[in-house]
Amino acid sequence: GQNIDQPTEMTATEGAIVQINCTYQTSGFNGLFWYQQHAGEAPTFLSYNVLDGLEEKGRFSSFLSRSKGYSYLLLKELQMKDSASYLCAVREGTGANNLFFGTGTRLTVIP
Amino acid sequence: GAVVSQHPSRVICKSGTSVKIECRSLDFQATTMFWYRQFPKKSLMLMATSNEGSKATYEQGVEKDKFLINHASLTLSTLTVTSAHPEDSSFYICSARGGGAGANVLTFGAGSRLTVL
Repeated sequence: GQNIDQPTEMTATEGAIVQINCTYQTSGFNGLFWYQQHAGEAPTFLSYNVLDGLEEKGRFSSFLSRSKGYSYLLLKELQMKDSASYLCAVREGTGANNLFFGTGTRLTVIP
Repeated sequence: GAVVSQHPSRVICKSGTSVKIECRSLDFQATTMFWYRQFPKKSLMLMATSNEGSKATYEQGVEKDKFLINHASLTLSTLTVTSAHPEDSSFYICSARGGGAGANVLTFGAGSRLTVL
């Protein structure tokens, strides 16, 4: 089974940096994903971590610590368009294709 | 890149009718697709795994006779909500793995918002 936990809501200022945390408890961990979802739209892929450490992609970075069951998504130079829900998802087992999602963090960027 | 098309994007139906939602992988073949359901302000809940040429695998608590899944080809999976009731109103999203997005990444369709009156 999975137990994926994220803060429900966060607010940050345009131009600032925000960190969204995700903790998980799962058996057979095989990767952690971050997706962005604007209201009423499909989730879009942001990042993927399977090994410990930091993955950087432009303004977005994601960190994973498997021993701690912990990940975070870091968003730099926040823009108004970054207001969205950010979903942490865990994949289990070898060969498994499906993802189990956390409740998502609704980020609001204010001027 | 990988593109998953979902249709219709919105559908309104009367209680007791059935509704079919299509999910297509446009530029890649997907032997496996996934159907998720999302309630307002909630995250995605996996409903079932759709396997090309075989029966779908349903998650615990999902009625297979209520949510019929057919994966007749490598690029098309359909979800039919049978005898829909107001409590079935939700946002349904399909996804597939592979294509230009890479083998590890799920690409999602744009979702279908079902409203049952």
